[in-house]
Amino acid sequence: GENVEQHPSTLSVQEGDSAVIKCTYSDSASNYFPWYKQELGKRPQLIIDIRSNVGEKKDQRIAVTLNKTAKHFSLHITETQPEDSAVYFCAASLSGFGNEKLTFGTGTRLTIIP
Amino acid sequence: EPEVTQTPSHQVTQMGQEVILRCVPISNHLYFYWYRQILGQKVEFLVSFYNNEISEKSEIFDDQFSVERPDGSNFTLKIRSTKLEDSAMYFCASRAGTGGNYEQYFGPGTRLTVT
Repeated sequence: GENVEQHPSTLSVQEGDSAVIKCTYSDSASNYFPWYKQELGKRPQLIIDIRSNVGEKKDQRIAVTLNKTAKHFSLHITETQPEDSAVYFCAASLSGFGNEKLTFGTGTRLTIIP
Repeated sequence: EPEVTQTPSHQVTQMGQEVILRCVPISNHLYFYWYRQILGQKVEFLVSFYNNEISEKSEIFDDQFSVERPDGSNFTLKIRSTKLEDSAMYFCASRAGTGGNYEQYFGPGTRLTVT
């Protein structure tokens, strides 16, 4: 089955700097890669996702890149703000065939230092 | 914006007791999921459900677990005889399944504590 590795486990950055979180996946058939943000005690919320037919997607300060050959994808947050502090989870899925279970990475605790 | 809801928010039960966790997925969504998250760990897939039957289950989802969609709105997870290691946050999620949208929407979770 699919296995997703995520690094780093913790990340501290100065407010205004950029943060990068990296994930690798094992199943080359996976074609959907969402990123979820989870604040303490709250539900995971989708912040951005990418499908395997594109290499990069951007939404304001957040971008995701995908390298299918190397089987890794990354989350980039620019101009970080205190409200970006949370745990971020990457996930991988084989989508389009009816099941779409998500296999999650181990999470990255991002702390923005004011 | 429509949201997935779950009840109760926190359930405390004794080992060996049965619990039922309830979820109301987003109306008109077709795919339903249960995930769990042990404190401080990653979210793990338990089961997916479509067209009134299980489409996939993980190795965690053994004979002690069952799911049901008793009516047009609720989606339940039952644990027949709880164990200490079942203590976790349980998230329900739903997905539209139409229009090529793969996003899964998560509920706020039920924290299950087994004593």
